[in-house]
Amino acid sequence: GAGVSQSPSNKVTEKGKDVELRCDPISGHTALYWYRQSLGQGLEFLIYFQGNSAPDKSGLPSDRFSAERTGGSVSTLTIQRTQQEDSAVYLCASSYGTPKVYEQYFGPGTRLTVT
Amino acid sequence: AQSVAQPEDQVNVAEGNPLTVKCTYSVSGNPYLFWYVQYPNRGLQFLLKYITGDNLVKGSYGFEAEFNKSQTSFHLKKPSALVSDSALYFCAVRGNSGNTPLVFGKGTRLSVIA
Repeated sequence: GAGVSQSPSNKVTEKGKDVELRCDPISGHTALYWYRQSLGQGLEFLIYFQGNSAPDKSGLPSDRFSAERTGGSVSTLTIQRTQQEDSAVYLCASSYGTPKVYEQYFGPGTRLTVT
Repeated sequence: AQSVAQPEDQVNVAEGNPLTVKCTYSVSGNPYLFWYVQYPNRGLQFLLKYITGDNLVKGSYGFEAEFNKSQTSFHLKKPSALVSDSALYFCAVRGNSGNTPLVFGKGTRLSVIA
């Protein structure tokens, strides 16, 4: 079946520009997560959507980062005024229910390079 | 606050030998524990999880992990390593209170040498 998809797969942008990263979760999954993976840093939690509840934004590193999830499905992560330290692989995941029990299914990621 | 530690950045093992990738955790209450694997140029894949029940959990590709409450550990093991097991392995944990997503370790790179 279809897994989590992300677009674009690679994005190169100039410092100061805004970027939008897209995530299409698995159909029927109510929970959606964004992570950032930097070399040697593991996975850094960014934001979590669960159904119609207010998102958990506790992991967003600055107010330049925001995300929305429209219609409980597709999500967009927006980074405004990109900085070189934003360069990383941005991973999206979805799960059937709460992260307590259900495993997360990850997309292939978007590699962002800020020049 | 919950946290997870993977004390080894790199583990090297000869093909056919047993492998262990270590993970220790800190949570309030009972832990929910997961292992994920990331093969080169591919996304993270779920391997196994411990929620409750038997301390020894079996997962995909012949991997297993043992939950040890007294040592707060959840080490990943395989009796006989394959070259194809070479990948980046992540341990993840969350507690049973609140609604916080998983916390991931920094990952351990496993290299299996033929």
